[in-house]
Amino acid sequence: NAGVTQTPKFQVLKTGQSMTLQCAQDMNHEYMSWYRQDPGMGLRLIHYSVGAGITDQGEVPNGYNVSRSTTEDFPLRLLSAAPSQTSVYFCASSYSGGGYTFGSGTRLTVV
Amino acid sequence: AQSVTQLDSQVPVFEEAPVELRCNYSSSVSVYLFWYVQYPNQGLQLLLKYLSGSTLVKGINGFEAEFNKSQTSFHLRKPSVHISDTAEYFCAVSSGTYKYIFGTGTRLKVLA
Repeated sequence: NAGVTQTPKFQVLKTGQSMTLQCAQDMNHEYMSWYRQDPGMGLRLIHYSVGAGITDQGEVPNGYNVSRSTTEDFPLRLLSAAPSQTSVYFCASSYSGGGYTFGSGTRLTVV
Repeated sequence: AQSVTQLDSQVPVFEEAPVELRCNYSSSVSVYLFWYVQYPNQGLQLLLKYLSGSTLVKGINGFEAEFNKSQTSFHLRKPSVHISDTAEYFCAVSSGTYKYIFGTGTRLKVLA
């Protein structure tokens, strides 16, 4: 059972570039979320989805887009990368009443 | 709005000693509460969760937590820690089951 798979594990971008962080889960979970983790700030919710075709904004959505065309996939798009988006990004999925299962993270550096 | 406060950013403790990591929350509605552990360069792993029922919750690796509604707390405890418990621990609160608010984390350092 793969759980939640995130790719890539590491990425360096130049300011202004765009990219997509991939997330896939094989547990048939309804709920999926993207968090960013920054030192001393814990995890902050970027976007979340309660099912295919349904997404909503979290605490820090600016500069990011998401879509959920299938239950399994929940990609996160950075539209025009900025140094403030340097962070570790985690994708997570959950079923109703369960805790989140997290991916292993993507470490992004924007120069 | 909900919030979570982890009062200690770092907790050093000697091996085989007991430890308590503190978590307080604020919410105007009923909540679900979670503790996660993050080992270096890894994702977060669920330790335990409180949804309803018994206020004492047992999790993996010998950890337990007690939900105290009157004090709005959900402190994590372990009676005897090991070197391998060195990690960062996050408390989280949710009013539904998918939109979580996380605390800023507590780094547990177990000393030999």
